[in-house]
Amino acid sequence: SQELEQSPQSLIVQEGKNLTINCTSSKTLYGLYWYKQKYGEGLIFLMMLQKGGEEKSHEKITAKLDEKKQQSSLHITASQPSHAGIYLCGADRGNYQLIWGAGTKLIIKP
Amino acid sequence: DADVTQTPRNRITKTGKRIMLECSQTKGHDRMYWYRQDPGLGLRLIYYSFDVKDINKGEISDGYSVSRQAQAKFSLSLESAIPNQTALYFCATSDPTGALDTQYFGPGTRLTVL
Repeated sequence: SQELEQSPQSLIVQEGKNLTINCTSSKTLYGLYWYKQKYGEGLIFLMMLQKGGEEKSHEKITAKLDEKKQQSSLHITASQPSHAGIYLCGADRGNYQLIWGAGTKLIIKP
Repeated sequence: DADVTQTPRNRITKTGKRIMLECSQTKGHDRMYWYRQDPGLGLRLIYYSFDVKDINKGEISDGYSVSRQAQAKFSLSLESAIPNQTALYFCATSDPTGALDTQYFGPGTRLTVL
C-alpha cells in the first residue's frame, strides 16, 4: 500500500454538486500540497497546508488539514466542468522531498 | 511563455536505445526534479538537484542518469531504454521560502518504449 492514500480513486459528479477528496497518511504530515493535473498538462499548484486545523480556500475549492495532521480533505463546492481533472496530494516528509498520492480522477457530468 | 519547458513532449523509441529528455526553466530556481508518473502509482522521484553541483538519487534512479548543465537546465537520460520505462515524465523546480517549497511542473514528456 502507498504511504499516502487518496480516496476515492475516481469520482463522477453532476455539475453543480459538491464533492470531497481525501488524502490520508500513515505518518505525521509536515506539509501537505494539493495539485491539479489536466490531461496532457503538468501539475498546477492549488494549496499548501502546514498547521493542524488549517483551512485554505481558493475560489470554490477548500482544503483542510486535520488536527492530528494525518489527513487532508479537498472540498469543491458547486462543481463546474473546469474542475475536471486529476487531483494529487503531496506530502513533505521533512527531507526536502515530496511523496505523492496516486491521484483522484474527477469527471464532471453536464 | 511557460516557466518550465520539457522537450520532447512525446517520444516513441525502441528497447536498447539511449534517450535524453530535457528540461529548461526561466523561474531562476536552484532546485530541480525529475519524476515519472504511472497509472495508479502517482509520481515517483527519479533524481533531484539542489544546485548545479548537487545531484541526488531519488526513489527510483536505477536505469536513469541526469545532468545539470546550468541552473536553468536539467536533463534526464535513459542509457538503454526498456519497456517498463514507458511512462509520463515530469520535470519540476522549486525555490524554498521558509517552510514552503512549492514545486512548479513542466507539461510532461510521454515516453513509449517498444
